Amino acid sequence: DGGITQSPKYLFRKEGQNVTLSCEQNLNHDAMYWYRQDPGQGLRLIYYSQIVNDFQKGDIAEGYSVSREKKESFPLTVTSAQKNPTAFYLCASSIRGQGASYEQYFGPGTRLTVT
Amino acid sequence: QKEVEQNSGPLSVPEGAIASLNCTYSDRGSQSFFWYRQYSGKSPELIMSIYSNGDKEDGRFTAQLNKASQYVSLLIRDSQPSDSATYLCAVHSGGYNKLIFGAGTRLAVHP
Repeated sequence: DGGITQSPKYLFRKEGQNVTLSCEQNLNHDAMYWYRQDPGQGLRLIYYSQIVNDFQKGDIAEGYSVSREKKESFPLTVTSAQKNPTAFYLCASSIRGQGASYEQYFGPGTRLTVT
Repeated sequence: QKEVEQNSGPLSVPEGAIASLNCTYSDRGSQSFFWYRQYSGKSPELIMSIYSNGDKEDGRFTAQLNKASQYVSLLIRDSQPSDSATYLCAVHSGGYNKLIFGAGTRLAVHP
């Protein structure tokens, strides 16, 4: 049963704490992405990785960090430096990171609330 | 930053009617275009991809692309209440090598 899993579904943290969101895929996709969605807004790209051990900043990388040590996994850490961390976080993957066929598939998301 | 624009809605249509969702984009070099459906509280689900000018049909869905006008649309025939969701348009920006998403159009299909 192929797909993308994200855990946990809901996450609550106190301000000033770092938190790591999990994303795993068994689709054998090369590329993985992290997006943030705020109420009534579109998706904004945080980080993406086209291949293992390589990743690039997206539009809103400040206050976030990632790693890509395995093809299947792309965890996102929300650090205390992120000013407004409360949001819906979405992980996605695509077969390749480049090329005309660029279909991205999303995991179920993690809703993070920081108080 | 290249942009993708959608009317936020809500677009309200009666059950059985055709819903027409529109999207314009600014990057003339874009080659790949996608429509995602997002139910409230859920993640986006890919429903259509289109790469060439013209129409592409899949069941009740038709995507239309006009690169000269930088315009892509999604038609939903025989709309059902279960189609009520937010529809996100996404465009692959070749120059930035990433997908750029519109803010989405909320569709409400009423019985």
